[in-house]
Amino acid sequence: DAGVIQSPRHEVTEMGQEVTLRCKPISGHNSLFWYRQTMMRGLELLIYFNNNVPIDDSGMPEDRFSAKMPNASFSTLKIQPSEPRDSAVYFCASRLDSDQPQHFGDGTRLSIL
Amino acid sequence: AQKITQTQPGMFVQEKEAVTLDCTYDTSDQSYGLFWYKQPSSGEMIFLIYQGSYDEQNATEGRYSLNFQKARKSANLVISASQLGDSAMYFCAMREGQGAGSYQLTFGKGTKLSVIP
Repeated sequence: DAGVIQSPRHEVTEMGQEVTLRCKPISGHNSLFWYRQTMMRGLELLIYFNNNVPIDDSGMPEDRFSAKMPNASFSTLKIQPSEPRDSAVYFCASRLDSDQPQHFGDGTRLSIL
Repeated sequence: AQKITQTQPGMFVQEKEAVTLDCTYDTSDQSYGLFWYKQPSSGEMIFLIYQGSYDEQNATEGRYSLNFQKARKSANLVISASQLGDSAMYFCAMREGQGAGSYQLTFGKGTKLSVIP
């Protein structure tokens, strides 16, 4: 079975540019999560969707970050404008239901120059 | 207090030996779940094993087993017959509560395991 698919795997861009990260959750999973991982702060939950609806976006750092889930099989995380401090690994994860584990994608390694 | 504590920043194990990675947790909820994830140097996060707070038996998945001691609030990961490919960061995580409203995973800081040939 296909796991969580993220694209791109790596992104290098200059500050001020718009960055869009993409995620395809595992088919049938009704919950989707975006995380950010840095050495300093570890894994941080940015936003949580349940049945395509954003439930908790309290982890989104600031207005420059936005996330959408237009349907059950696709989600995006957008940063506009990007800043060097946004450099991190961004993970998307999905789960089948509340008692099941979250399955992570391979992550997007983002570098903002 | 930290909710998930992994006291071993780094561990070494000889190939083919067993190794235990420690994890203690802190929660006042009766219902919770404990998870272990592996992150190799390539960066992906791989789910390994899950233990529910009401599960009476210790979870096992192949060479992975979870030594769950509820009274001590510990959920140690045991890897048997270590392989070179087991070298990675290992994260313990906890989900408190039950149901759709319980989605937050609290992660420990991780243990870096190195398997020596």
